[in-house]
Amino acid sequence: EIVMTQSPATLSVSPGEGATLSCRASQSISTNLAWYQQKAGQAPRLLIYGAFTRATGIPARFSGSGSGTEFTLTISSLQSEDFAVYYCQQYIYWPPWTFGQGTKVEIK
Amino acid sequence: QVQLAESGGGLVKPGGSLRLSCAASGFTFSDYYMSWIRQAPGKGLEWVSYISRSGDTIYYADSVKGRFTISRDNAKNSLYLQMDSLRADDTAVYYCAGAPDGDFVDNWGQGTLVTVSS
Repeated sequence: EIVMTQSPATLSVSPGEGATLSCRASQSISTNLAWYQQKAGQAPRLLIYGAFTRATGIPARFSGSGSGTEFTLTISSLQSEDFAVYYCQQYIYWPPWTFGQGTKVEIK
Repeated sequence: QVQLAESGGGLVKPGGSLRLSCAASGFTFSDYYMSWIRQAPGKGLEWVSYISRSGDTIYYADSVKGRFTISRDNAKNSLYLQMDSLRADDTAVYYCAGAPDGDFVDNWGQGTLVTVSS
């Protein structure tokens, strides 16, 4: 089973600032990685797939990068609606599909 | 618009059973690989089970294998999860999730809460 590790667990950011979230896979997953955003009390929403392709309707301030075992989600200028928990997920070696434990982006 | 709507959650005693349903609308349900994904209170996401478009390929997480059964009815645009021998650690919000190519999820339901407690 591939283990996905996200860091940091919590990121405190001021509105308008940028944020960088990391996700590491326990073995190479090429670019078979997705990022999801989950706001409190809501279902997750797909942000990025294929490590860097934005899903339909996702603003350009969200960008993904990386391949192999190291991945990054960058939010260029945080808006109030971006404060949420973010999860990465690998989908190359399944089952099981595995998720990271999440990074909470909170208001500083 | 694309919609997945779960139902069937609730409070059940340890050892009991529950059947979750997910009604799909706004897209061609039979084109989607479907999964159940759960989230325990205050915790992260855990994949539970997967079913292929035709229903001929099914997978389960080790934590639920032998206790849960996934199924689908494409004629009714519906996904199901039969949960037996429920345990306290099955307590979670259960999401119905659709993946167009069987990999990442691009459609999520709103979730239904299952609480296993005496």
